[in-house]
Amino acid sequence: QVQLAQSGAEVKEPGASVKVSCKASGYTITNNYMHWLRQAPGEGLEWMGWIDPNSGRTNFAQKFQGRVTLTRDTSTNTAYMELRRLSSDDTAVYYCARVIHSGTYSWGYWGQGTLVTVSS
Amino acid sequence: QSALTQPPSASGSPGQSVTISCTGTSSDVGGYNYVSWYQQHPGKAPKVMIYEVSKRPSGVPDRFSGSKSGNTASLTVSGLQAEDEGDYYCSSHAGSESYVFGTGTKLTVL
Repeated sequence: QVQLAQSGAEVKEPGASVKVSCKASGYTITNNYMHWLRQAPGEGLEWMGWIDPNSGRTNFAQKFQGRVTLTRDTSTNTAYMELRRLSSDDTAVYYCARVIHSGTYSWGYWGQGTLVTVSS
Repeated sequence: QSALTQPPSASGSPGQSVTISCTGTSSDVGGYNYVSWYQQHPGKAPKVMIYEVSKRPSGVPDRFSGSKSGNTASLTVSGLQAEDEGDYYCSSHAGSESYVFGTGTKLTVL
């Protein structure tokens, strides 16, 4: 079965960077885009962007362009999200997610979430 | 892109039906049949309940249904059960391979 296992919680200072990993099992990551989303405490969900693990092509929500990098390692079936120039507004749970199946635009598989806390 | 508009709260008694709306624009909800609904319980990852406006993933009870008219999509939960309580978010494809979420609705089963 499809599973997405994310790396553990992080605490970072303002201005630093964070890199979150998402290891997929039960399927080959090159078969589907990997999306990244986040949810600030007590707030709603926010889509950040996706990577096509087959080509490395990426697409981001406008507010994250220039500050986020999505990469993948096909040899370990793992996707990564790096967010730079962190501020307190970036404190959130970050999720990786995969669509239900190719051709759909809905996330049917989610990682467990990674809490990133930005604090001095 | 602006967030889609949902009512902050909705409620119903067990066995009743409740409908949650999700209003966007012709650039998102109205322009694509790619509206999804997610249920989220505290501390958990979201779970898709409806995709492509009205399709149910396997394992989702048929008490959950979706529809769309113009720029507004709706999620209806029939025969409310205690486990349906939680936060519900709509999302839509928004062109240029991007996505937008709704503001979220807290569903309470009285």
